[in-house]
Amino acid sequence: QVKLLQSGAALVKPGASVKMSCKASGYTFTDYWVSWVKQSHGKSLEWIGEIYPNSGATNFNEKFKGKATLTVDKSTSTAYMELSRLTSEDSAIYYCTREGQGFAYWGQGTLVTVSS
Amino acid sequence: DVVLTQTPVAQPVTLGDQASISCRSSQSLVHSNGNTYLEWYLQKPGQSPQLLIYKVSNRFSGVPDRFIGSGSGSDFTLKISRVEPEDLGVYYCFQATHDPPTFGAGTKLELK
Repeated sequence: QVKLLQSGAALVKPGASVKMSCKASGYTFTDYWVSWVKQSHGKSLEWIGEIYPNSGATNFNEKFKGKATLTVDKSTSTAYMELSRLTSEDSAIYYCTREGQGFAYWGQGTLVTVSS
Repeated sequence: DVVLTQTPVAQPVTLGDQASISCRSSQSLVHSNGNTYLEWYLQKPGQSPQLLIYKVSNRFSGVPDRFIGSGSGSDFTLKISRVEPEDLGVYYCFQATHDPPTFGAGTKLELK
């Protein structure tokens, strides 16, 4: 069955960067776009951007351009998101999700806490 | 960006009752290809969101038929008949017609 396994929680200092992973299994990784979604504490969801593993093509929400970098490693069926120049506003849970007819499959989320 | 306004913010229900959630868009969600990319998700406490409905009214695999999505243009509704305990949580509508894709603020389905 389809699974998306995300990396564990991260505590990072303001101004630093963090890179999180999303390992896919149970389907052909290169056939589906992978999106990333942010959920700030107790709040709604924001779409950050997406990557097509087959080509590396990306699309971003303007709000996250310059903040998020999306990459993939096809050899390990893993998608990555790096967030740079972190501030307290970046503290949130980040989800990866596989596109198709809707976001049918989600990772368990990675909690990022930005604190000195 | 397209704004999705969900009402109510919270919906107290009795188990076995029907619940209804509205999602109104700041602009039509009909894509130039004729499809309407309006989806519904449920997020249970401590869990990731899960897909219920895609393209307005199509239930995702395994979603019970008590979940019914309807609507058109900029006005959409999710109805849940005979609410069960596992239906409690926050419901989000989501549009992927316009860039960037956006979520509604959520509607919390809770027990009276």
